[in-house]
Formats: sequence, structure tokens, C-alpha cells
Amino acid sequence: DVKVTQSSRYLVKRTGEKVFLECVQDMDHENMFWYRQDPGLGLRLIYFSYDVKMKEKGDIPEGYSVSREKKERFSLILESASTNQTSMYLCASQGGSSGNTIYFGEGSWLTVV
Amino acid sequence: GEDVEQSLFLSVREGDSSVINCTYTDSSSTYLYWYKQEPGAGLQLLTYIFSNMDMKQDQRLTVLLNKKDKHLSLRIADTQTGDSAIYFCAEYGTGTASKLTFGTGTRLQVTL
Repeated sequence: DVKVTQSSRYLVKRTGEKVFLECVQDMDHENMFWYRQDPGLGLRLIYFSYDVKMKEKGDIPEGYSVSREKKERFSLILESASTNQTSMYLCASQGGSSGNTIYFGEGSWLTVV
Repeated sequence: GEDVEQSLFLSVREGDSSVINCTYTDSSSTYLYWYKQEPGAGLQLLTYIFSNMDMKQDQRLTVLLNKKDKHLSLRIADTQTGDSAIYFCAEYGTGTASKLTFGTGTRLQVTL
């Protein structure tokens, strides 16, 4: 089975702090994604990556950056966290034998106070 | 841009059938997906359908696709309390950057 692991399930950070959310997949997938989920808004794509060291902006990249130094790992970075970034963050991966199916991690709940 | 719409809430009695509807706008969609999210968890892929199909059945799940109207539905037969969750419709387009676009999710409540 495909496994997408997000390192932190629950985080509480202060406004202005730098936040790292880590995601690792074990299926050698080329594509990885970061979404945020908010009530009534569904999932919105922040950034995605098609390959190591490559990144593309999604629909709401403002306030975020990403890093893909290794194929299995895709990190989401909040340079200076703000309260409007309080949300559930979901990582996903796709590729290889899974074709167009996208598999999700369990999610990271971030609260910025 | 692409847009996917769903109603926000559906309540059904245990044992009845549930039908969750979804509309989308991207005519270049190649795959359409249904994901299930239980409380506090990530998204679990339930099923998907290729855009050249009209129907797909998988045990209690039936997916119907009307490509002309850009309408997708998920029918759950004999709905159980364990089916209570949020169901997301998503479409995979082949535009400038192939990616999944999600609907807002439909919260399914199953009552006894």
C-alpha cells in the first residue's frame, strides 16, 4: 500500500514563527502536493512538485514556500506564520504504478495563535 | 479556471441509499474521483471513473457520470453508520498543470 506520512499531526505556533511541515512518501512517486482544507472551502492547492528541486504554484501559494530536495520528501514552509494560516494541511503524492490516483497523508492540524 | 460544486450536507436513514451529487466545469477532465474523509483523518480514495465511462460499480458504491451535463454522482447502497463522513468529488484535468480540483465536500449524516 502507498504510504504518505506527515510528520506532525497537531501543531500550535505563534504568529511570526517559521513553520515546517514535512511529508514523506514511500512509493517513489514523482508528483507531490500540498493542500489546505478549510470548512466550506474544500481542499485548495498550495504548491505541487513534479520532480526533485522542481515546484509549481497552486491556487493559493501566498505566504507559503516549499522544498523538494529528495524525491520522497516534500516540505511546506510558512516563513512567518499568521492566524489566517490556521488550517488542516494535507500532503499527497502521485505517480509510478498508481497512475493518476493521488494518495493523501493523514493531515496536519496547524493552529497559529 | 476549473470549478467543482457539491451540496454541503446530506442526511439519510441507516439502510437507505445515499446519493451525493457533484458538478464540474472543466470539459478536459480525464478522471473524476470520490474521496471519503472521516473525522480527524486524511482523504481515502473510494473510487474513480474515467471520463469515457458512464457508470462504475464497486460493491455498495455506484458512480454515474453524465459528461454532457458535467454531472457526477455517488450512490451508496444500504447506507451504514460507518459511512458517516465528508465525501469529496474531484476532477483531474489536463490543462496547463494537471492537478486535482476538489469540491467543497458533502457531509453525510446517517441516522438510526
